[in-house]
Amino acid sequence: QQPVQSPQAVILREGEDAVINCSSSKALYSVHWYRQKHGEAPVFLMILLKGGEQKGHEKISASFNEKKQQSSLYLTASQLSYSGTYFCGTEMTGSGNTGKLIFGQGTTLQVKP
Amino acid sequence: DTGVSQDPRHKITKRGQNVTFRCDPISEHNRLYWYRQTLGQGPEFLTYFQNEAQLEKSRLLSDRFSAERPKGSFSTLEIQRTEQGDSAMYLCATLGVEQFFGPGTRLTVL
Repeated sequence: QQPVQSPQAVILREGEDAVINCSSSKALYSVHWYRQKHGEAPVFLMILLKGGEQKGHEKISASFNEKKQQSSLYLTASQLSYSGTYFCGTEMTGSGNTGKLIFGQGTTLQVKP
Repeated sequence: DTGVSQDPRHKITKRGQNVTFRCDPISEHNRLYWYRQTLGQGPEFLTYFQNEAQLEKSRLLSDRFSAERPKGSFSTLEIQRTEQGDSAMYLCATLGVEQFFGPGTRLTVL
């Protein structure tokens, strides 16, 4: 039931764009995106709840497909501060809205000057 | 700062010793979660509380692990007879709409 993230790692130059995908074999209740820097706790980026939803803030946005089995995180005009590991945390449909998250294995993003 | 605090931030112990971690959540959040994260992996769910009731425990949580949340406020996670495999970052999170993580307690078992 662990979601699959792709790619595993990305190296960018400042100003380039990136897309990180999170896929589940079953429909999800919600998807949460986090960024984690080395040695620190995950920092919440955004949550998606509705099929077909798109949302974002600043230059980071995300989408949730209609079937609620795939989400993508879009990083536009990347900055050095975007470097870190990105995780999707998923809550399964039918889990009773417990808030219990199952995390993907992470995507490591490195932005170079 | 997410408003979730954890103590201690780092703990080094010898194999076989008991350790206890504390989490102080955002006061108005009645759900509290414990996760464990090892190097290169995403956080793994351990257990969660709704107020003072522990509603779910992961199969990852052996009998050596116990968690409490008296009065539905702070929570403690105790590991008895620590093993080297327990070395990890232990994260506490609370839930409003979003799930906010505390800074974590990094446990090293020698």
